[in-house]
Amino acid sequence: AQSVSQHNHHVILSEAASLELGCNYSYGGTVNLFWYVQYPGQHLQLLLKYFSGDPLVKGIKGFEAEFIKSKFSFNLRKPSVQWSDTAEYFCAVTSSGSARQLTFGSGTQLTVLP
Amino acid sequence: KAGVTQTPRYLIKTRGQQVTLSCSPISGHRSVSWYQQTPGQGLQFLFEYFSETQRNKGNFPGRFSGRQFSNSRSEMNVSTLELGDSALYLCASSGTSGNLYTGELFFGEGSRLTVL
Repeated sequence: AQSVSQHNHHVILSEAASLELGCNYSYGGTVNLFWYVQYPGQHLQLLLKYFSGDPLVKGIKGFEAEFIKSKFSFNLRKPSVQWSDTAEYFCAVTSSGSARQLTFGSGTQLTVLP
Repeated sequence: KAGVTQTPRYLIKTRGQQVTLSCSPISGHRSVSWYQQTPGQGLQFLFEYFSETQRNKGNFPGRFSGRQFSNSRSEMNVSTLELGDSALYLCASSGTSGNLYTGELFFGEGSRLTVL
């Protein structure tokens, strides 16, 4: 069975600081990878996704993530965070065989101080 | 276009009762998935329906069931409620381009169930 680990449960940054959230997955086959974000009081929404091709993917609001197959990682990055980035971030994976069944990590709460 | 709509948004039940939650997907989306979100277990997959057929099921007891109608609307039911069923239940829909999975789930705001 596949699993996803997000090692940072709560990250606190000041505005303009750089962000990197870790995500590691365990699955031996082909995977599709996602980052979802949940802003306070809002529904989960897709930040970015990786299916194939360029391992560096860009998402909305200046976020990007790099898929490193050898490390089973899909870390999320942003060079300069804003107060409005305060949210909970979830990494998720699905195998090609069950494309609509996502396995989520436990989430990372990001707090950006103004 | 309208997003995923879930009803009711909040409900309180007592142990032993049953509950039915409803989800209307984005127009044109034929796949509907359900997830349970709790502080302790996070987001866990319940099941997924496509064209009225359950295609995937997560590791939940048989008390959790669902169905999908011909208009793609979906319901999930939990019977004999337990305290541990208190959670936010999220519905997500996804579409396809032809037969290709687009890779994105669109989530509703959820139905928050409290079991007393």
